[in-house]
Amino acid sequence: GEDVEQSLFLSVREGDSSVINCTYTDSSSTYLYWYKQEPGAGLQLLTYIFSNMDMKQDQRLTVLLNKKDKHLSLRIADTQTGDSAIYFCADAYSGAGSYQLTFGKGTKLSVIP
Amino acid sequence: NAGVTQTPKFRVLKTGQSMTLLCAQDMNHEYMYWYRQDPGMGLRLIHYSVGEGTTAKGEVPDGYNVSRLKKQNFLLGLESAAPSQTSVYFCASIGQTSGNTIYFGEGSWLTVV
Repeated sequence: GEDVEQSLFLSVREGDSSVINCTYTDSSSTYLYWYKQEPGAGLQLLTYIFSNMDMKQDQRLTVLLNKKDKHLSLRIADTQTGDSAIYFCADAYSGAGSYQLTFGKGTKLSVIP
Repeated sequence: NAGVTQTPKFRVLKTGQSMTLLCAQDMNHEYMYWYRQDPGMGLRLIHYSVGEGTTAKGEVPDGYNVSRLKKQNFLLGLESAAPSQTSVYFCASIGQTSGNTIYFGEGSWLTVV
């Protein structure tokens, strides 16, 4: 079945850039998503990218997609302590009358003041 | 406010008890999902529904049943709760009115003792 992989931990200093990486296996993915989850809270959609795009920028967030290598990354510029959270990559499959997301295990981002 | 509402938010069950989690959305979405989230495991799909009256199994369906009698509601049932079902449960929905945005509920924390 579909698999989405992420590294589990990332630690950066406040003000630096953070890069969270994700790989996926499904070549028929339609959209790829990044979600943020703070402790004890639900999932907040940060951004998503259509599978035929290479890059998407939204304020401090930059998403890069390498479809050939099935690699997705999320770059957070000028990382702040409020960015400390778990970040989930998710891969969407659309077909056979269904639309499903497969999630990675999440990357815990720790921002050091 | 439009969105996905889950009830209850917190529940403690004894082994063998039954309960139902309710997910309600007021966005006329076609697709609805139930996920469970466990530490280090990301989100795993339990069951999903592509429309009123239809349900399908996800990645981890055992021990759960679902029903979608009304388009706006997706119920997740535990007939005989087990400690392995201690988890955080998230409901999600997507439809034509939301484009490619998948809306998540705020989560239901379930503990089985």
